[in-house]
Amino acid sequence: RKEVEQDPGPFNVPEGATVAFNCTYSNSASQSFFWYRQDCRKEPKLLMSVYSSGNEDGRFTAQLNRASQYISLLIRDSKLSDSATYLCVVTPGTYKYIFGTGTRLKVLA
Amino acid sequence: DTGVSQDPRHKITKRGQNVTFRCDPISEHNRLYWYRQTLGQGPEFLTYFQNEAQLEKSRLLSDRFSAERPKGSFSTLEIQRTEQGDSAMYLCASSPTAYQGAQYFGPGTRLLVL
Repeated sequence: RKEVEQDPGPFNVPEGATVAFNCTYSNSASQSFFWYRQDCRKEPKLLMSVYSSGNEDGRFTAQLNRASQYISLLIRDSKLSDSATYLCVVTPGTYKYIFGTGTRLKVLA
Repeated sequence: DTGVSQDPRHKITKRGQNVTFRCDPISEHNRLYWYRQTLGQGPEFLTYFQNEAQLEKSRLLSDRFSAERPKGSFSTLEIQRTEQGDSAMYLCASSPTAYQGAQYFGPGTRLLVL
């Protein structure tokens, strides 16, 4: 089993739709969690950290479920500019960052 | 610009040649990471430095790969005797030490081995 697993997609959604991605992780001792966004042929950029209580940043909401070992990202009112690959990142130890393979999102006009 | 920088941005080389990439992290970040990313995959960990000490090296990193961070600031990644399978994006990231905070990536070096 991979340490971090994501549905690769693609998720094709119309503009204005709400879309959610999940990411499961295998190490129950994992401490920190992040979502990154990566545009084609660019570097990953931090979208948001994921806190135990859940957190929101504008149209984006991230949640952590430690019991079931997954994190989620919800995007409301999707924009064309949200089209990208979304990478889930988990830190199982003191310095390691483990990346998922990413979920591709395409928002259609 | 106070972000992570990498040089060169693109490199085309012939099989068997040596290449060296440079990364300049965010100045107050003690941790520096190298990753490799191929199409359709997430970044794969290659190696990690805390200040000038290389604390871990992935099994993915064969003997042809070496990395240094001599003064705890910039880092170099060298690939000797390049192979076509080395073609990938090489990403550098840095993070602060004090807590398990987010990493910040440079723009990457895209390597093509012919």
